[in-house]
Amino acid sequence: SQTIHQWPATLVQPVGSPLSLECTVEGTSNPNLYWYRQAAGRGLQLLFYSVGIGQISSEVPQNLSASRPQDRQFILSSKKLLLSDSGFYLCAWSYARGVFFGSGTQLSVL
Amino acid sequence: SQQGEEDPQALSIQEGENATMNCSYKTSINNLQWYRQNSGRGLVHLILIRSNEREKHSGRLRVTLDTSKKSSSLLITASRAADTASYFCATDVKTSGSRLTFGEGTQLTVNP
Repeated sequence: SQTIHQWPATLVQPVGSPLSLECTVEGTSNPNLYWYRQAAGRGLQLLFYSVGIGQISSEVPQNLSASRPQDRQFILSSKKLLLSDSGFYLCAWSYARGVFFGSGTQLSVL
Repeated sequence: SQQGEEDPQALSIQEGENATMNCSYKTSINNLQWYRQNSGRGLVHLILIRSNEREKHSGRLRVTLDTSKKSSSLLITASRAADTASYFCATDVKTSGSRLTFGEGTQLTVNP
């Protein structure tokens, strides 16, 4: 069966520090992969999506970047975090009947 | 504003009552999906309804879709305290290439 792993679950980082969040998917090949961000008490905002290795589409201009070095690996990065980067980050993959989400990473930038 | 807007923003009911949440959207869709999120957790896919479907059931869940009004509703019957969560609708827009756009969600509280 397909599973999605996302880590870490929580992260506290100082302003200006780098960021790397990793997501991997098992049990499927060539999935569409997504990074979403959720501000406290709000809906999800799509940040990046990828339809294949090395193919990244950005939905909103921001301080973050994404990479897909392998078919089932999706990485969210930043060179220098801002306070406004705080939030709940969710990785997801999609198939015909819906989207599966990872358990999320709560990022606090202080 | 975002495609996919739920109302109400918050709903508080007693156990055993039915809960109805609504979602409106703006552009043509391939399908509309409902998700549930417990506080601080990832989203769980509940149900997907395609643009050519009008109603779908899954257990205690009933989803309707009215493409002429660009709206959908999620009905949870005989609610339980464990149904307390945030519920989001998400639209798969025809021109988006499988990118989902989420609404802000409805916070449902079921009181025992």
